[in-house]
Amino acid sequence: SQKIEQNSEALNIQEGKTATLTCNYTNYSPAYLQWYRQDPGRGPVFLLLIRENEKEKRKERLKVTFDTTLKQSLFHITASQPADSATYLCALGPPANTGFQKLVFGTGTRLLVSP
Amino acid sequence: NAGVTQTPKFQVLKTGQSMTLQCAQDMNHEYMSWYRQDPGMGLRLIHYSVGAGITDQGEVPNGYNVSRSTTEDFPLRLLSAAPSQTSVYFCASSYGGRVREQYFGPGTRLTVT
Repeated sequence: SQKIEQNSEALNIQEGKTATLTCNYTNYSPAYLQWYRQDPGRGPVFLLLIRENEKEKRKERLKVTFDTTLKQSLFHITASQPADSATYLCALGPPANTGFQKLVFGTGTRLLVSP
Repeated sequence: NAGVTQTPKFQVLKTGQSMTLQCAQDMNHEYMSWYRQDPGMGLRLIHYSVGAGITDQGEVPNGYNVSRSTTEDFPLRLLSAAPSQTSVYFCASSYGGRVREQYFGPGTRLTVT
């Protein structure tokens, strides 16, 4: 069965640095991948989507890469701020030519940005 | 727009009790889903709907029922609560089509004793 892995250990970085979070997967060929942010006690909030034929996507200070050969996505936050502290979830979309978009979610990586 | 709303925010049930978690969205989204989130596990899909009157099972459907009589509402029913159903439940909605971001509600924290 498909497996999706995100680093379960929290990532601690200093304000102003670039945070890089990793999402690895096996036994799957997603047509796209999504990243969500989740704050404690709240629902996930969509951040970015990248399709299998795209190498990189950017939105303001966020950048996502998608390597279908390595089966890996990297999520970068540049010039990080304490307000970026949250848990970030990776979600795989189903393979192409399938029906309803049953997303497969990772467990998330907690990011802590200290002043 | 209120987005996706869920009630209640917290609930404690005794084993064997039944209850309904409410979910509503005001964005005219076709698709709605229910997920549960447990420590150390990713969000897991319980049931989903691609439109009014159409529902289907997700990854972990046992012990839960859903119905979708309107576009706006998608309640989740626990038939006979078990401690294994202690979890945080999220409702989500999205526009139809294959590649769409999901909008999540604030969640319901359920404890079954």
